[in-house]
Amino acid sequence: NAGVTQTPKFQVLKTGQSMTLQCAQDMNHEYMSWYRQDPGMGLRLIHYSVGAGITDQGEVPNGYNVSRSTTEDFPLRLLSAAPSQTSVYFCASSYRDNQPQHFGDGTRLSIL
Amino acid sequence: GENVEQHPSTLSVQEGDSAVIKCTYSDSASNYFPWYKQELGKRPQLIIDIRSNVGEKKDQRIAVTLNKTAKHFSLHITETQPEDSAVYFCAASRAGSARQLTFGSGTQLTVLP
Repeated sequence: NAGVTQTPKFQVLKTGQSMTLQCAQDMNHEYMSWYRQDPGMGLRLIHYSVGAGITDQGEVPNGYNVSRSTTEDFPLRLLSAAPSQTSVYFCASSYRDNQPQHFGDGTRLSIL
Repeated sequence: GENVEQHPSTLSVQEGDSAVIKCTYSDSASNYFPWYKQELGKRPQLIIDIRSNVGEKKDQRIAVTLNKTAKHFSLHITETQPEDSAVYFCAASRAGSARQLTFGSGTQLTVLP
């Protein structure tokens, strides 16, 4: 039981490049979320999903897309990377609403 | 939407002393309040949580108290140890909210030997 697995752990991109951050969980959790963490600003919600085929925007969705084709996977796509997207990205999952969230190890992303 | 404020942003205590971190929330319908600990370079990990039908919960040296009327909740760590040094985040959510948790901005706790 691996929990929440994120890949890659580190990535450096050039402005304008696109990439996908992967997130997979093996706990059969329905709810999954993506957060970004910047110094002094806590964890901010980018996008979330309450089940396969259902996604919605969080508080900072601009510049990111998500999809949820299976219960296990919830990839985050950066469409055209910008320096303002330099951050640590965490994926999290929970069985349902109002339950503890389990976090992955994070992806540290730098945009030059 | 929900807004969670967390204070203080930094806290230094002597080893063996107690530490208290406070959070306030805005949505009176919120009913689930977890606390996460994040060590440097690591993932946030749940350390304790409380639901609105309970006023206090303890787990060894850690306790959380909830005041629904005032809409605030606090984390109490007793007999602090150097390994308690980390960033602590409070969060709030309510049943039926697909957005799940709203996090506070975090408290950097440093336990001085």
